[in-house]
Amino acid sequence: EAGVAQSPRYKIIEKRQSVAFWCNPISGHATLYWYQQILGQGPKLLIQFQNNGVVDDSQLPKDRFSAERLKGVDSTLKIQPAKLEDSAVYLCASSLGAGGGGETQYFGPGTRLLVL
Amino acid sequence: ILNVEQSPQSLHVQEGDSTNFTCSFPSSNFYALHWYRWETAKSPEALFVMTLNGDEKKKGRISATLNTKEGYSYLYIKGSQPEDSATYLCAFWDAGNMLTFGGGTRLMVKP
Repeated sequence: EAGVAQSPRYKIIEKRQSVAFWCNPISGHATLYWYQQILGQGPKLLIQFQNNGVVDDSQLPKDRFSAERLKGVDSTLKIQPAKLEDSAVYLCASSLGAGGGGETQYFGPGTRLLVL
Repeated sequence: ILNVEQSPQSLHVQEGDSTNFTCSFPSSNFYALHWYRWETAKSPEALFVMTLNGDEKKKGRISATLNTKEGYSYLYIKGSQPEDSATYLCAFWDAGNMLTFGGGTRLMVKP
């Protein structure tokens, strides 16, 4: 079974530039998550999709971050414009069912973003 | 934002040593606790999903216990090996479906 794919693996941009990350979840997984992990901290949930609908985006900085999951499969996360404090690892994860505490999440390798 | 803490932040042990670390979480409104292992340059890997007070789970040399009444979980590694070197993350789900990760414990096992 193929795992969660993410690209790019690394990205360096200057502040005020835009950047986009892509995630392809495990086939058949209904729920997709995007996390931001800043060095020294635990991952923070940015947005959770169930199929192509948003379940939770309460911690997504909507003035600069956007995400979509077209057709309930792949997802993209965009930052526009980037700030220095956006430097982090962006993790994508998926789970089989409707999400929630009882389900195992499967993570991709992450995209490491550095904003200069 | 819920308070989920892991201790210690980092740990150096010798190969063959047994070790353990702690995840502390709110004792009210508990739904589930997850443990993950995250090796450098790899994807975080799920170790355990724990939902019941008193749960004990085991996977090879790694085991975990759960006390929801006092709000903590322990992760144990018996006979640490260099390949156990990783960051171990716990993630707390509350009954309102809010997820909070701890900051992780970084384990380094010296050969």
